[in-house]
Amino acid sequence: KAGVTQTPRYLIKTRGQQVTLSCSPISGHRSVSWYQQTPGQGLQFLFEYFSETQRNKGNFPGRFSGRQFSNSRSEMNVSTLELGDSALYLCASSLEDSYEQYFGPGTRLTVT
Amino acid sequence: GNSVTQMEGPVTLSEEAFLTINCTYTATGYPSLFWYVQYPGEGLQLLLKATKADDKGSNKGFEATYRKETTSFHLEKGSVQVSDSAVYFCALKANTGNQFYFGTGTSLTVIP
Repeated sequence: KAGVTQTPRYLIKTRGQQVTLSCSPISGHRSVSWYQQTPGQGLQFLFEYFSETQRNKGNFPGRFSGRQFSNSRSEMNVSTLELGDSALYLCASSLEDSYEQYFGPGTRLTVT
Repeated sequence: GNSVTQMEGPVTLSEEAFLTINCTYTATGYPSLFWYVQYPGEGLQLLLKATKADDKGSNKGFEATYRKETTSFHLEKGSVQVSDSAVYFCALKANTGNQFYFGTGTSLTVIP
């Protein structure tokens, strides 16, 4: 089975721009979660989608949004980028209420 | 609320040394507990898990025991190898919903 894939792997943007990241889950997985990983904060939960609906949301500003398509692929969008948004964004997929999340390699976003 | 606290790194050990990485948690109810490992440039991989009190998770020589009385899930390995150099994350999943909570990660470097 193919693993979780994320595109692009690396991205450089300037302040004020917006960005869209993509995640394709493992086939058959309907839950997709997004995390922001930074050296100082570790992994912080952004949101979780299941069957095209956002089920859980972390404590991030409204500039961070996401969606999930009928094929379970998910996108997250960050608008009006700030320097502090520079991070590794990880996507994880799982079966519903599974004991395990499978992570993608991440998208490294650098905001200049 | 739910949270995970793990020992800060970085940790540097010589090959064949004994490893302990401490992890404690706060949760309502009976969470499941996990250790994930992240090798350089990669996403997170599940290392081991325990779903109820007194369970011991083990994999690749690593072990952790779910201690409800001390709310802990410390990671141990009797003899580390250079290939174990990575960042280790302790995590919990609440007994309802599909949200995972991660610690800030502990960087381990094993020197020959």
